[in-house]
Amino acid sequence: ETGVTQSPTHLIKTRGQQVTLRCSSQSGHNTVSWYQQALGQGPQFIFQYYREEENGRGNFPPRFSGLQFPNYSSELNVNALELDDSALYLCASSSFNGGLRDNEQFFGPGTRLTVL
Amino acid sequence: AQSVTQPDIHITVSEGASLELRCNYSYGATPYLFWYVQSPGQGLQLLLKYFSGDTLVQGIKGFEAEFKRSQSSFNLRKPSVHWSDAAEYFCAVGGDQAGTALIFGKGTTLSVSS
Repeated sequence: ETGVTQSPTHLIKTRGQQVTLRCSSQSGHNTVSWYQQALGQGPQFIFQYYREEENGRGNFPPRFSGLQFPNYSSELNVNALELDDSALYLCASSSFNGGLRDNEQFFGPGTRLTVL
Repeated sequence: AQSVTQPDIHITVSEGASLELRCNYSYGATPYLFWYVQSPGQGLQLLLKYFSGDTLVQGIKGFEAEFKRSQSSFNLRKPSVHWSDAAEYFCAVGGDQAGTALIFGKGTTLSVSS
């Protein structure tokens, strides 16, 4: 069974640029969530994708956007990068099948984004 | 408001000693509770989870946690800490529906002294 993978591992961008981060969900999972973890903080929910549509969003501006593909992989796009966007971006996959335990999420290793 | 509080930012425990990490939550619906561990530069690994039933749950690496509804707590324990347990520990709460976010505490850093 393949776990959650993310690419790239590290990324350095300058303020105002755009970035795309990628996530492959765990085998059998159909839901992907994205979290931002600033240094010294706990992860904060950005949004979740289910069946290729956004299915929940945290308190993040519209310049944070995403996609989910038919194979359940996902992208996180951030436009007009700001210095405060520097963080570890975590992807988590889960399996929504209408059951009570659908919110058990499995995390990838993350992408470390540095904005200069 | 929905939130998770981990009162201890940093804890140091001697190797072989017992450990308890505190977690208090505020959640408007039935809470599903999780403990994750994060080693430096790594993602989050699930230690254990509570959905329902027995309020004492067992996890990996010898960890356990007890859900106390009356105290809105979900404290993590381990009877004997190993040096490899040094890491960041996060408590999280979520709902029972897809699309609901996991809400994390700010984490507790565990150091293990020899």
